Amino acid sequence: AQTVTQSQPEMSVQEAETVTLSCTYDTSESDYYLFWYKQPPSRQMILVIRQEAYKQQNATENRFSVNFQKAAKSFSLKISDSQLGDAAMYFCAYRSVNQFYFGTGTSLTVIP
Amino acid sequence: ETGVTQTPRHLVMGMTNKKSLKCEQHLGHNAMYWYKQSAKKPLELMFVYSLEERVENNSVPSRFSPECPNSSHLFLHLHTLQPEDSALYLCASSQVRTANTGELFFGEGSRLTVL
Repeated sequence: AQTVTQSQPEMSVQEAETVTLSCTYDTSESDYYLFWYKQPPSRQMILVIRQEAYKQQNATENRFSVNFQKAAKSFSLKISDSQLGDAAMYFCAYRSVNQFYFGTGTSLTVIP
Repeated sequence: ETGVTQTPRHLVMGMTNKKSLKCEQHLGHNAMYWYKQSAKKPLELMFVYSLEERVENNSVPSRFSPECPNSSHLFLHLHTLQPEDSALYLCASSQVRTANTGELFFGEGSRLTVL
């Protein structure tokens, strides 16, 4: 079965600095999708960024980028120029066919 | 209208009560999901309705009963729950395609407390 591991329960970053959240996953499949979701204190979870496994190029969305290492089954999220609004729980997710698998989340604190 | 709306946002119930959670999606998606979110645990998939078929997590107790009358509405019926069922229940929807690129869109969740 697929598993997703986020080894950092909590992280903090100074405002305007850069932080990297780690995620590893286990799978025997070659075709899948990876996602980072953000859940602010108001609780609605929203998509931050996605990566298709067949694409070698790392996905980027404004200040958010990923470092996708397929062989190592690693999918980290880098947040540049951190803002107070980035404070939230971040969940890494793996999608296979029609099933999603989530990690336990990383709580990010942004220090003014 | 937000894409996925859930009601109620908060629910407190006794172990002998019967209540229901409601979810509605306005995105034209063809799949809807119930997830249970507990602290320090991965999101637990409870049920999926996809293309009018139901897939369920066999570990979900029978005191949780889903209903999906159409592709836009999803219910979770609750009956004789236990205190350990207290959690945030998230509804989500997605568009299932052959390319399998659909992401999940979540509601704000229903915070359930069982006394």
